[in-house]
Amino acid sequence: AQKITQTQPGMFVQEKEAVTLDCTYDTSDPSYGLFWYKQPSSGEMIFLIYQGSYDQQNATEGRYSLNFQKARKSANLVISASQLGDSAMYFCAMRDPSGTYKYIFGTGTRLKVLA
Amino acid sequence: EADIYQTPRYLVIGTGKKITLECSQTMGHDKMYWYQQDPGMELHLIHYSYGVNSTEKGDLSSESTVSRIRTEHFPLTLESARPSHTSQYLCASGDRAPAKLFFGSGTQLSVL
Repeated sequence: AQKITQTQPGMFVQEKEAVTLDCTYDTSDPSYGLFWYKQPSSGEMIFLIYQGSYDQQNATEGRYSLNFQKARKSANLVISASQLGDSAMYFCAMRDPSGTYKYIFGTGTRLKVLA
Repeated sequence: EADIYQTPRYLVIGTGKKITLECSQTMGHDKMYWYQQDPGMELHLIHYSYGVNSTEKGDLSSESTVSRIRTEHFPLTLESARPSHTSQYLCASGDRAPAKLFFGSGTQLSVL
């Protein structure tokens, strides 16, 4: 069965430093998509970045990059130059590769950026 | 960017009441989803739809029901609310490629 694992319940980072949020996944299907979402305290879910399993290069979106290591089945989110506004919950997700278009979410990591 | 709307934003009701949480999107997406989320916790899929007249139950057992009569509208109904239904409910819709999800602002439901 497909599964997403986020082992860091909480993380702290100093403002302007980089931080890596871990995500590992489990699937036997060769075609899948991986996503990261940010959820501020206001509750909405904000799409950050996407990585397809066949993409040759790691995805980047501004200060966000995805460290995709297919053999290790990991898709870690790297946030560079952290800002106070980055404090939020971060969820890793995978689109169910079986074609159902269901999405599996991890348990999330709460990031706190310190001034 | 995303045009998906949920109402109400907050709802406090008494036990036994019937409620409908509204969700609408103007992006023409076929796929729509309802997730339940307790504070600081993971999202649990309770219902989803692939299009008009298509609804499926998700991975988390729920006493709610949904309907999809129009592409843009995906309401969730609780026939008799209970305190155990207290949670945040997030509606989402999905585009074709790369099929990322667009989320509404959520409805925070409290059942007394």
